[in-house]
Amino acid sequence: DGGITQSPKYLFRKEGQNVTLSCEQNLNHDAMYWYRQDPGQGLRLIYYSQIVNDFQKGDIAEGYSVSREKKESFPLTVTSAQKNPTAFYLCASSLDRDSTQYFGPGTRLTVL
Amino acid sequence: KQEVTQIPAALSVPEGENLVLNCSFTDSAIYNLQWFRQDPGKGLTSLLLIQSSQREQTSGRLNASLDKSSGRSTLYIAASQPGDSATYLCAVRGSQETSGSRLTFGEGTQLTVNP
Repeated sequence: DGGITQSPKYLFRKEGQNVTLSCEQNLNHDAMYWYRQDPGQGLRLIYYSQIVNDFQKGDIAEGYSVSREKKESFPLTVTSAQKNPTAFYLCASSLDRDSTQYFGPGTRLTVL
Repeated sequence: KQEVTQIPAALSVPEGENLVLNCSFTDSAIYNLQWFRQDPGKGLTSLLLIQSSQREQTSGRLNASLDKSSGRSTLYIAASQPGDSATYLCAVRGSQETSGSRLTFGEGTQLTVNP
């Protein structure tokens, strides 16, 4: 069953903690992305990666970090430096930079 | 900086009606434009992708048009059904980027189709 999986579906974080959101794809896609969505708003790009061991900052990278050690995995860490992390986080992948992006089901992060 | 606007923000129609969702963008130098559907609390599903050289794309009851020079795209939904109720998002990819596949998203149109 091919696709993109994100875990967990819901995540709660205390202030001052780092948390890591998982994103895995078995589509053999080279490019992967992380977006943030706030209520009533469109998606904003956090980080993207075109190839293993390479990634680039998006429009709102401050307070976030990523790694791309394997082609199929692109985890996102929300650090304590992110002042307003409560949001819906979406991971996507595409065959290459020019192709359609396919999205995972999302992780809803809430700061307590 | 590319900005994408979607009008209206919300739309409620009776079942069976044909409807049009609008998307406008400020920088006409785009590589492609994509329409997505998002159900509440879910990820995005790609509906249609239009390359900058194309004028329209069709899939079933959906038809998307692109007028790059005027910075506009429309998504036409024929014979709407309650199952079409969702938020529809428009996203453009600029042609000036030298790396990555950045999409700039609009805020979406929340569609409700009433039985």
